[in-house]
Amino acid sequence: GQQVMQIPQYQHVQEGEDFTTYCNSSTTLSNIQWYKQRPGGHPVFLIQLVKSGEVKKQKRLTFQFGEAKKNSSLHITATQTTDVGTYFCAGRPGTASKLTFGTGTRLQVTL
Amino acid sequence: DGGITQSPKYLFRKEGQNVTLSCEQNLNHDAMYWYRQDPGQGLRLIYYSQIVNDFQKGDIAEGYSVSREKKESFPLTVTSAQKNPTAFYLCASSIASSLRTNQPQHFGDGTRLSIL
Repeated sequence: GQQVMQIPQYQHVQEGEDFTTYCNSSTTLSNIQWYKQRPGGHPVFLIQLVKSGEVKKQKRLTFQFGEAKKNSSLHITATQTTDVGTYFCAGRPGTASKLTFGTGTRLQVTL
Repeated sequence: DGGITQSPKYLFRKEGQNVTLSCEQNLNHDAMYWYRQDPGQGLRLIYYSQIVNDFQKGDIAEGYSVSREKKESFPLTVTSAQKNPTAFYLCASSIASSLRTNQPQHFGDGTRLSIL
């Protein structure tokens, strides 16, 4: 079954508010990737985290990998309408060779 | 322009019919993947291939088949054994992953399959 869960499933914010999505795994992840899928589009790779406790920033986006490598988060500061879409995490659990995608968080931003 | 091309964009399947979804990449990637996306369920891996003439089942391979005769091509056949084929199908490719890290996956625009 699904080993990588994301919360919330859906979030609706006003433009300018912050947004965070959380990714949780039942097993240790060797690495984690984040993707964004715009409505009607395909997932686009954003970033990969490998080290325990790693933090990376891309403009208004901050990505964290937990110390135990079982969870990760994506935080968007001051959302804009261009941030609309579904954000997926994808991790490599345990000794698996392939990525497992999370269930996704759909972000809606209104003016 | 390098990328992944999936065709057709929309496909309709009749009862008892097999249909084949095309996926071609010119990124010179070794690895290719097929995912199924249903609303609220994220992406689930159907099959993947890390090298030509070799492929492995993913989490939901039943009712599907693939081939990898060329590096550039990884077609997916949805057989009549797949009882609930209506979904959005995404093909992806990447350079080969190592034991420790995975490489970013590049996705095609997808094929929407519906039952008539």
